[in-house]
Amino acid sequence: GEQVEQLPSILRVQEGSSASINCSYEDSASNYFPWYKQEPGENPKLIIDIRSNMERKQIQELIVLLDKKAKRFSLHITDTQPGDSAMYFCAAYNVGDNSKLIWGLGTSLVVNP
Amino acid sequence: DPKIIQKPKYLVAVTGSEKILICEQYLGHNAMYWYRQSAKKPLEFMFSYSYQKLMDNQTASSRFQPQSSKKNHLDLQITALKPDDSATYFCASSLDSSGNTLYFGEGSRLIVV
Repeated sequence: GEQVEQLPSILRVQEGSSASINCSYEDSASNYFPWYKQEPGENPKLIIDIRSNMERKQIQELIVLLDKKAKRFSLHITDTQPGDSAMYFCAAYNVGDNSKLIWGLGTSLVVNP
Repeated sequence: DPKIIQKPKYLVAVTGSEKILICEQYLGHNAMYWYRQSAKKPLEFMFSYSYQKLMDNQTASSRFQPQSSKKNHLDLQITALKPDDSATYFCASSLDSSGNTLYFGEGSRLIVV
C-alpha cells in the first residue's frame, strides 16, 4: 500500500541548534501534509500543516517545506529547546478511491541542554 | 477541557476476555477514527468512520469491532483479548474525511495479562 517514509528515526541535537525531519510520499495527488508532536504519555497534537498549494509555511520556530515534484516535505525546528524533545510524526493525505492519511513511523527528537 | 473523551484511561484485562473502549467527541465532527500505538508500531491506523458509516478497516482481525451508536460516538469492542493487544488506543476525529486536521483523544492504555 501507499507509504510515507520518515527519517531519521532518532535525532539528537544540542539546545539552540536546528533540527530537521524529512518525509517522502508516493501519491503525487496527496494534498495535505500535517505534522504532529507527541510527548511521553500524551496524545499526538497537530503543530503545523501545509497544503499542496504552498511550498513553505512558518509558525514561530517551526518551518515546513513542501517539494511536490520530489514528493518530499520536511519539518525544521530552529533554535531547539529541551521542550521540543518528543516524537514527531509526519503524514500525507492520500487522495483516491480510499482517501486517508498515511503516517510516517515517527522521529524521536532529543534536545540536549 | 478535552473535547474527545475516551474511557477508560487505563485498563488491565485478562487474556480471553472482552472489553469495550469508549469514545465521544464534542467537536461537531463527522469523521471518527481509531488508532493503536505500541512499542512495535508507533501509530497504526485501525478504522475510519464517516457519518457513522465504516470507510476503511485496516485491522486484520475481526476481534476488533467498532460500534457507532451516535454520530459523535465510536466505541471499540475487542474480543478474545491477547497479550499482543496491549497498547494505547487513540480515538480521533476530523471535520470530515477529506483531508482535514485530525484531533486525538487522550488514549486508553490497555494491558492484557
